[in-house]
Amino acid sequence: QVQLVQSGAEVKKPGASVKVSCKASGYTFTSYDFNWVRQATGQGLEWMGWMNPNSGNTGYAQKFQGRVTMTRSTSISTAYMELSSLKSEDTAVYYCARNRANSGSFDYWGQGTLVTVSS
Amino acid sequence: QAVLTQPSSLSASPGASASLACTLRSGINVGTYNIYWYQQKPGSPPQYLLRYKSDSDKQQGSGVPSRFSGSKDASANAAILLISGLQSEDEADYYCMIWHSSAWVFGGGTKLTVL
Repeated sequence: QVQLVQSGAEVKKPGASVKVSCKASGYTFTSYDFNWVRQATGQGLEWMGWMNPNSGNTGYAQKFQGRVTMTRSTSISTAYMELSSLKSEDTAVYYCARNRANSGSFDYWGQGTLVTVSS
Repeated sequence: QAVLTQPSSLSASPGASASLACTLRSGINVGTYNIYWYQQKPGSPPQYLLRYKSDSDKQQGSGVPSRFSGSKDASANAAILLISGLQSEDEADYYCMIWHSSAWVFGGGTKLTVL
């Protein structure tokens, strides 16, 4: 069965970086894009960007340009999202989700990773 | 003005129907967009419900009951998620989403209460 399993919760200081992983199983890793979506407590969903694991091509939301990097390791079927220059406003649950290229059908999601930014 | 606007909350009774609106910003024509709908329950990631562009171009998510359906109200420039035969388990947050200006954009979400 398809699974996306994310890394555990992180606590970071302002100005630091965080790297969240998303390990895929149950399907061909390179056949679906990855998206990262975050959600602050009690708030709505915010899309951060996408990555094609076959080519490594990425596209980032304008808000995160220059601060986010999405990468992958095809050998271990894992996608990564790194966010730098963390601020308290980046405290949120970060989700990975897969989709077919050019489709908004995010059919499988990771369980979420809580990133807390606090001094 | 936000790209997608959703009412923050909606209440409906069990067995009734609920229409959840997602209004597109003026100048963005709902007719040209695929509208995606997601359901999220507390403590869980979102779940894909369906895609709707027109009655002849739509897709139901895998395992999603036919009680969930999509439509558009062109006069209001809005997409609609209709949930019929409401059940207590339908109580959740619902988000619409479109691809706009090279980005996926979510609406702010509607909290549906079934009481």
